Amino acid sequence: DAGVTQSPTHLIKTRGQQVTLRCSPKSGHDTVSWYQQALGQGPQFIFQYYEEEERQRGNFPDRFSGHQFPNYSSELNVNALLLGDSALYLCASSANAGGPLGSGYTFGSGTRLTVV
Amino acid sequence: AQSVTQLDSQVPVFEEAPVELRCNYSSSVSVYLFWYVQYPNQGLQLLLKYLSGSTLVESINGFEAEFNKSQTSFHLRKPSVHISDTAEYFCAVSRINTDKLIFGTGTRLQVFP
Repeated sequence: DAGVTQSPTHLIKTRGQQVTLRCSPKSGHDTVSWYQQALGQGPQFIFQYYEEEERQRGNFPDRFSGHQFPNYSSELNVNALLLGDSALYLCASSANAGGPLGSGYTFGSGTRLTVV
Repeated sequence: AQSVTQLDSQVPVFEEAPVELRCNYSSSVSVYLFWYVQYPNQGLQLLLKYLSGSTLVESINGFEAEFNKSQTSFHLRKPSVHISDTAEYFCAVSRINTDKLIFGTGTRLQVFP
């Protein structure tokens, strides 16, 4: 049973460019959350998608946007990249959004984004 | 709002020695508590969680954590560590009935032979 799959694994972009990161959730999961992990820091919640809609959002600017497709996969888009956007971007899937968190997240291995 | 403090950024320890990784949280509402482990170049793996019931929770690889409501702590312990336990450990909280995790800044456990 495949877990959470993220692509690409590494990416280098130039300041001002736009980037799209992709995530396929674990089989049976319908909710996708995105986290940003800067070097030496804990992950920070960006947003969560359920039923193709943004359900919760963390303290990130509008340059960060996302999408969820009918097959539950998700994309994270970042516009007008800044050097400070360099980080590991983690996707986490879960089942039954809004229910108890006992089902837990499954995290992907992440996409390492470097902005130069 | 919730917050998590991991007091130690690095914990060096020799193999087979006991270890404690400290975690304190702040919240005005009831929370769930988690410990995640991150091995180099990998994502996060759930180590253990406290949702309700017994305040002592255990993982399959010998780690345990105890929820202490009065001290707002959820320290992680292992009586005898292995080289393979070398990793970054993150404590996290979430409000009950939400999926949003608030993470601490992590503790790097380095086990030496």
